[in-house]
Amino acid sequence: KAGVTQTPRYLIKTRGQQVTLSCSPISGHRSVSWYQQTPGQGLQFLFEYFSETQRNKGNFPGRFSGRQFSNSRSEMNVSTLELGDSALYLCASSLVVQGENEQFFGPGTRLTVL
Amino acid sequence: AQTVTQSQPEMSVQEAETVTLSCTYDTSESNYYLFWYKQPPSRQMILVIRQEAYKQQNATENRFSVNFQKAAKSFSLKISDSQLGDTAMYFCAFMKRGGKLIFGQGTELSVKP
Repeated sequence: KAGVTQTPRYLIKTRGQQVTLSCSPISGHRSVSWYQQTPGQGLQFLFEYFSETQRNKGNFPGRFSGRQFSNSRSEMNVSTLELGDSALYLCASSLVVQGENEQFFGPGTRLTVL
Repeated sequence: AQTVTQSQPEMSVQEAETVTLSCTYDTSESNYYLFWYKQPPSRQMILVIRQEAYKQQNATENRFSVNFQKAAKSFSLKISDSQLGDTAMYFCAFMKRGGKLIFGQGTELSVKP
């Protein structure tokens, strides 16, 4: 079974631009969560989508948004990029059946904002 | 709010020896899960071991085992017979049922030959 895939793997943008990151979960997984990892703040939860609905949300500004499609693939969008948005963005999928909630992570997208 | 604390930013161990990584957490929840994740230099986050809070028995996965002390809110990871491939950043994480993963700051483990 294929793992979680994220595209692109690397991205360089300039301040003020916007960016869209994509995540394809493991087949059959309906929950997708996004995390931001930075040296200063560590791993922080952005949001979770389940069956195309945002189920949980972290403490990030409205510039960070996401969505999930009917095939469970998810996208994350960051508008008006700031230097501080440079980070590794990790996506994780889980089955969420009968309490089974182990999260499987993708390889991440490294975003650099210049 | 839940918090996870890893008090050891860095640790090192000789190959084949045993090392224990510490983790404490704070929560008022009674139903939750605890995890240890490993992140090698490739940055791929890999689940090492998980523990359900309602289970009294400590989880074990091959060379990896945990010491789960629910009353003390402590969840340490023991790595036996350390191997060079165990070199990585290790994150302790908490999740309440239906919730999000809350990570500690991580412990960078170096296994020396």
